[in-house]
Amino acid sequence: SQQGEEDPQALSIQEGENATMNCSYKTSINNLQWYRQNSGRGLVHLILIRSNEREKHSGRLRVTLDTSKKSSSLLITASRAADTASYFCATDSGYNKLIFGAGTRLAVHP
Amino acid sequence: DTAVSQTPKYLVTQMGNDKSIKCEQNLGHDTMYWYKQDSKKFLKIMFSYNNKELIINETVPNRFSPKSPDKAHLNLHINSLELGDSAVYFCASSQGDRVQETQYFGPGTRLLVL
Repeated sequence: SQQGEEDPQALSIQEGENATMNCSYKTSINNLQWYRQNSGRGLVHLILIRSNEREKHSGRLRVTLDTSKKSSSLLITASRAADTASYFCATDSGYNKLIFGAGTRLAVHP
Repeated sequence: DTAVSQTPKYLVTQMGNDKSIKCEQNLGHDTMYWYKQDSKKFLKIMFSYNNKELIINETVPNRFSPKSPDKAHLNLHINSLELGDSAVYFCASSQGDRVQETQYFGPGTRLLVL
């Protein structure tokens, strides 16, 4: 079964707006990672947040983690057309493998 | 310079055929992976190798056989291809074998079985 589930499945916004994507998971985790996939390309690692962290920043990205709710969110501020991609969360539940969700497809319109 | 490369990029073949996909990484990483991404974009781990040794085999049919001639290469051979094998296959690598490490993905191989 899928560990990470992203929400929404698709998101369409205008350039300059903020985009928020959520990820829920079922079992305890050691860490959670976010990846981006541009159309027709491989995944690119964005950020990792450990289970004992609550918030992490990287440039225009802000990731939060709520282990009590088993959820994480990825916020992209001041979005650009180049942010158009699918975004995946991946969880490490201690079995030495990452479990990916189905992703959120983000479209940023100029 | 391409960090993780895969060949071919596209593969169209008939049911029942045998095909191979190759992956190479020039990052000096110890661990390599194969993932399958289906039409709904779910990405699932298939195999991982650390220093040429299999460490994860995710209940993949034995028609799929990975081979790692050295730690920079991980190839995937598929026998008797079936329609359900149509997907995008991604190779990835990481420095060590701990999943909290960043994984670097190749561009994918789009396999279509007719």
